[in-house]
Amino acid sequence: DAKTTQPPSMDCAEGRAANLPCNHSTISGNEYVYWYRQIHSQGPQYIIHGLKNNETNEMASLIITEDRKSSTLILPHATLRDTAVYYCIVIALGDQGGKLIFGQGTELSVKP
Amino acid sequence: DSGVTQTPKHLITATGQRVTLRCSPRSGDLSVYWYQQSLDQGLQFLIQYYNGEERAKGNILERFSAQQFPDLHSELNLSSLELGDSALYFCASSQNPGQTYEQYFGPGTRLTVT
Repeated sequence: DAKTTQPPSMDCAEGRAANLPCNHSTISGNEYVYWYRQIHSQGPQYIIHGLKNNETNEMASLIITEDRKSSTLILPHATLRDTAVYYCIVIALGDQGGKLIFGQGTELSVKP
Repeated sequence: DSGVTQTPKHLITATGQRVTLRCSPRSGDLSVYWYQQSLDQGLQFLIQYYNGEERAKGNILERFSAQQFPDLHSELNLSSLELGDSALYFCASSQNPGQTYEQYFGPGTRLTVT
């Protein structure tokens, strides 16, 4: 029951912006887009989430298309420490009590 | 540091044995989640507790059980262990499940069954 599609891997040069896409063409009106990342074998880390509008915090920016069928996570100045697996998760508030369904994610490699 | 603690960090045990994994949530978080991450299955939700009560169940085997205590810490019990139970087990906590999915994960317990 995959709700999101992400490329399995991406490379990015250190200091450049990393743009990670996520396709969620079947998203419903009450579903949010959440992004998490997991640095090798560490616990996943929350990054950002959004519903309709673009969002920005100290870690990243989230751009959601107007039709909400896709989104892009932007790490503005990637560092080697941003090398991780990035997960895009679509979920409705109140849905399933709060459990996160992780897909395969995108493995981002930031190279010097 | 997420504020979620898990013990032990590593556990090596034999098939057929029983182990207990422990999790302390962030201060103020009422909800605890358990996830399993194995090489072939990825990150899978096991079970959720909210203020001592079971809230949601995922792909948790009958050999596995969990509970959340009055002080809000949680334990995941794994019994009759099999080789396939070798995995990373993560605990996460959150304040208002269903209102936000911002969960804070612990460092995990790596279980090796030999």
